Amino acid sequence: SAVISQKPSRDICQRGTSLTIQCQVDSQVTMMFWYRQQPGQSLTLIATANQGSEATYESGFVIDKFPISRPNLTFSTLTVSNMSPEDSSIYLCSVGQGINQPQHFGDGTRLSIL
Amino acid sequence: AQKVTQVQTEISVVEKEDVTLDCVYETRDTTYYLFWYKQPPSGELVFLIRRNSFDEQNEISGRYSWNFQKSTSSFNFTITASQVVDSAVYFCALSGPPGNQGGKLIFGQGTELSVKP
Repeated sequence: SAVISQKPSRDICQRGTSLTIQCQVDSQVTMMFWYRQQPGQSLTLIATANQGSEATYESGFVIDKFPISRPNLTFSTLTVSNMSPEDSSIYLCSVGQGINQPQHFGDGTRLSIL
Repeated sequence: AQKVTQVQTEISVVEKEDVTLDCVYETRDTTYYLFWYKQPPSGELVFLIRRNSFDEQNEISGRYSWNFQKSTSSFNFTITASQVVDSAVYFCALSGPPGNQGGKLIFGQGTELSVKP
């Protein structure tokens, strides 16, 4: 499976600031996704990162809060904007080679907001 | 709506015991896919298995086995002769048919398995 590198692996941020998380894959992939895992909780899909077009957001997530870029088939970024303590979570990038194919996940970014 | 329920929040066993993690799903789709993932304490998510709705054959991979029963909408996971390294949170997940929602994974709440020596 593809090797997925996610940066940073963790960060502690101040309230009101923004952080951009990067996801780099060692091969071209069809699908890229961003998930959030709140403390002790399951994973929730934030959005599907579409190459060359705007991301597709799930209910409850908006572009102003979580802008996403995907300039090519191997790279995507997720920005968490105007952070508050409620944004403290693990953010995970996943990739897949087609709809309903197994998604493989990066190691995640552990984000804490003070 | 799609939903995945993992009834066991936590399970604790002693090494070498067999353990089954239950997963029940809800969907109106006739074509769908089921997955199991493992999340060890280090935090990464490891893919274990994918099964489509037309394939009800049970699968065995080493000490791991999966029992898919459409009649009861269940996709249970059994670990035989558990080991300490099996300690992790295990997630069951569901995705729908091809289409603009086809890539979306719906996760259960996870079952935290603790295997004690």
